[in-house]
Amino acid sequence: GENVEQHPSTLSVQEGDSAVIKCTYSDSASNYFPWYKQELGKGPQLIIDIRSNVGEKKDQRIAVTLNKTAKHFSLHITETQPEDSAVYFCAASIPQAAGNKLTFGGGTRVLVKP
Amino acid sequence: NAGVTQTPKFRVLKTGQSMTLLCAQDMNHEYMYWYRQDPGMGLRLIHYSVGEGTTAKGEVPDGYNVSRLKKQNFLLGLESAAPSQTSVYFCASSRGGTGSMNTEAFFGQGTRLTVV
Repeated sequence: GENVEQHPSTLSVQEGDSAVIKCTYSDSASNYFPWYKQELGKGPQLIIDIRSNVGEKKDQRIAVTLNKTAKHFSLHITETQPEDSAVYFCAASIPQAAGNKLTFGGGTRVLVKP
Repeated sequence: NAGVTQTPKFRVLKTGQSMTLLCAQDMNHEYMYWYRQDPGMGLRLIHYSVGEGTTAKGEVPDGYNVSRLKKQNFLLGLESAAPSQTSVYFCASSRGGTGSMNTEAFFGQGTRLTVV
């Protein structure tokens, strides 16, 4: 099955700096790559996603890039703010007849220092 | 709009006890999922359902059972709890599967389960 590796496991940045989280996946058939943000005591929430027919996608201060050849994708957060502090998860999904079985990375705990 | 609601939020069980976790969604979603979250391991899929009356095994199904008798509810059961099942459990739902454009999974707040 699919395996997703995520790095780093923790990331501390100064407010205003950029943060980059990288993920690799094993199954070349994966075609959907969402990123989730989990705040303390809450469930994960989708912040951005990308499909395999797109190389990059931006939404305000966040962007995701996908390199299908190398089987890796990255989350970029620019001009970080204290409210960006959270755990971030990448995930990958293989097309299936039914369901949306996401395989998650291990998570990155991001701390933005004021 | 409640979204995905999980009951209970916290529970402590003794080894060998049984319990049922309830997940309810009010978005009329077809797909529902149960994940467990353990430190450093992300979320792992336990069971999922692609519609009322259907269930299927995920990545780590052993020791758990599920039922989807009503479209809005997805129940996760532990028949004989073990310390290895200490975890945070998340339910999620989505309108469509990977093949559709409605793939966003909405998560509940989680249930923290401790088995002693």
